[in-house]
Parts: sequence; C-alpha cells; structure tokens
Amino acid sequence: DGGITQSPKYLFRKEGQNVTLSCEQNLNHDAMYWYRQDPGQGLRLIYYSQIVNDFQKGDIAEGYSVSREKKESFPLTVTSAQKNPTAFYLCASGQGYYEQYFGPGTRLTVT
Amino acid sequence: AQSVAQPEDQVNVAEGNPLTVKCTYSVSGNPYLFWYVQYPNRGLQFLLKYITGDNLVKGSYGFEAEFNKSQTSFHLKKPSALVSDSALYFCAVRDNLGDYKLSFGAGTTVTVRA
Repeated sequence: DGGITQSPKYLFRKEGQNVTLSCEQNLNHDAMYWYRQDPGQGLRLIYYSQIVNDFQKGDIAEGYSVSREKKESFPLTVTSAQKNPTAFYLCASGQGYYEQYFGPGTRLTVT
Repeated sequence: AQSVAQPEDQVNVAEGNPLTVKCTYSVSGNPYLFWYVQYPNRGLQFLLKYITGDNLVKGSYGFEAEFNKSQTSFHLKKPSALVSDSALYFCAVRDNLGDYKLSFGAGTTVTVRA
C-alpha cells in the first residue's frame, strides 16, 4: 500500500521543548516537502529536499530544521526558536515537475 | 517568480447546480497547474493537473478544469455539485524554469447545500 505517512496525528508539547515530526514515503519520490497550514491561510513552505542529503529553506524556515539521510524519510524538527509553533503540519512528496502527494498531517499544539 | 490567486474565500451552491472555483496565476515560464481538495483535519488530495495539451482537463470525482492562457486562469468546475463536495479547494502552480516548489493559493471553501 503506497503512500505518505505522518506521525503522530496529534502532538502536544510544552513551550521551550523541541519536537520532531515524522514523514515517511514509499512512493520512490526524489523530492519531499514540509508545509505549515494555519486557519484561514493557505500552505506555506517550510523546507524542501529534491534529493537525498540535500535540502533548501522555504518561505518560513526560521525556527525549523530538517534532515534527509534516506530517500524515504524527511523528519521536521520544530525548535524552541519557533515563535508560534502551534499549527497543522503537512508533508508531501513528488517526482520532478509533477503533482505532489500529501500525508494526513500532524496537528501540533504547544502550550 | 510564481503566484496564485483564488479571488473567492467562499463559494456556496445548491446540490445539483454547477460549481465553479476560480484561480488565476502568474509565472515566468510555462505553467504547471494543479487543483487539490482538503477535507477537515486531513491532508490534501490531488484532483487534476494541466501540464500541456488539451485546455480542458478532466480529473477525479467528476471535476474538470479549463486552462486559459490569455486570461492566465485555471478555473475548477463540476457540472452537478454534491453535498459531499463541500471542502476546501486549493489551486497551485509552478513554472518550468526553476525548481520543483509549488505556490498555493489561499484556498476557497465550497459549501454545497442540500
């Protein structure tokens, strides 16, 4: 069963703690992406990776970090430096210029 | 540079009536255009795309979209809306010159009333 998995679905953290969101794909896609979605807003790109061991900052990378050690995995760490981390986080993967496929999302709440 | 505009925050239609969700774009090169749908607390589902060829593109769940180069538009349409089509719809674009990043519109909430 091919697709993108994100875990956990819901995540709660205290302010000041780092937290890592998981994203795994078995679609054999080269590129992977992390987006943030806030109520009433569209998707904003945090980081993306077009190939293993390489990644680039998106539009809102401050306070986030990523790694791409394996083709299948692209974890996102939300650090304590991120001023407003509570949001819905979406991971996607794609091949070349074609469509991206999205995971089910992780809702992070920081209090 | 690339960008997308969805001029309507909300679209309301009666079940059985035609549904149109508007999208205009701006790119430097040739556009690759996409429509996605999102149900509450879920990821985005791919509906359809325009890469090249026929200006009328057919996609999933009876949706279609028309590419209009002169008006730089890519409106999503469904001839007869269902209550289950109520969701958030996103238009996205990339050009053929840069990397693989997509630019998304702000989204349009569609409500289909019974």
